[in-house]
Amino acid sequence: DAGVIQSPRHEVTEMGQEVTLRCKPISGHNSLFWYRQTMMRGLELLIYFNNNVPIDDSGMPEDRFSAKMPNASFSTLKIQPSEPRDSAVYFCASSLKGSLANEQFFGPGTRLTVL
Amino acid sequence: LAKTTQPISMDSYEGQEVNITCSHNNIATNDYITWYQQFPSQGPRFIIQGYKTKVTNEVASLFIPADRKSSTLSLPRVSLSDTAVYYCLVGDRGAGSYQLTFGKGTKLSVIP
Repeated sequence: DAGVIQSPRHEVTEMGQEVTLRCKPISGHNSLFWYRQTMMRGLELLIYFNNNVPIDDSGMPEDRFSAKMPNASFSTLKIQPSEPRDSAVYFCASSLKGSLANEQFFGPGTRLTVL
Repeated sequence: LAKTTQPISMDSYEGQEVNITCSHNNIATNDYITWYQQFPSQGPRFIIQGYKTKVTNEVASLFIPADRKSSTLSLPRVSLSDTAVYYCLVGDRGAGSYQLTFGKGTKLSVIP
């Protein structure tokens, strides 16, 4: 298995632009998670899907952030409009069962820089 | 929500055993303790998980005392490649564990 796939690996954009991050979870996994990592705040959970349904989005910082999972093999995290403070590494992870405490498999991350 | 506390950083020489302790005073009955490892420029990777007493795998051992208010990740004979950030998490493996947080972890630096 190729593991969790994320694209792009790096993204540089200007403030105000729309950014879309993509994730393909491991085949057969029922849960998908989006995280954001910064030096200041560490690794933060943004949103969590179980069987393609958003379960908890309380970690999404504000309305500029949105996430979708149209099917079991694809998810997107969108930021519109982007701001410099959104600069971070965004990780997608998936797990076999629908609980955060079960083993999560992380992708390589997308490093986002907003100028 | 079980909160965890772990040291910000640790240093160790190659070949030594490293023990990283995590405090989780308000751990719930159904909570499991999980440790992840993160290398620079990579996503975290699951290392080990346990509920009580001792768990051992090919990478590490996890020691959990009877009161389960703390746990210790033990890495035997570390090498330079074990330099990474280690995260301790506590949560319920059943449905509903929605607020698991990684925090900032413990940065382990292995010195030659």
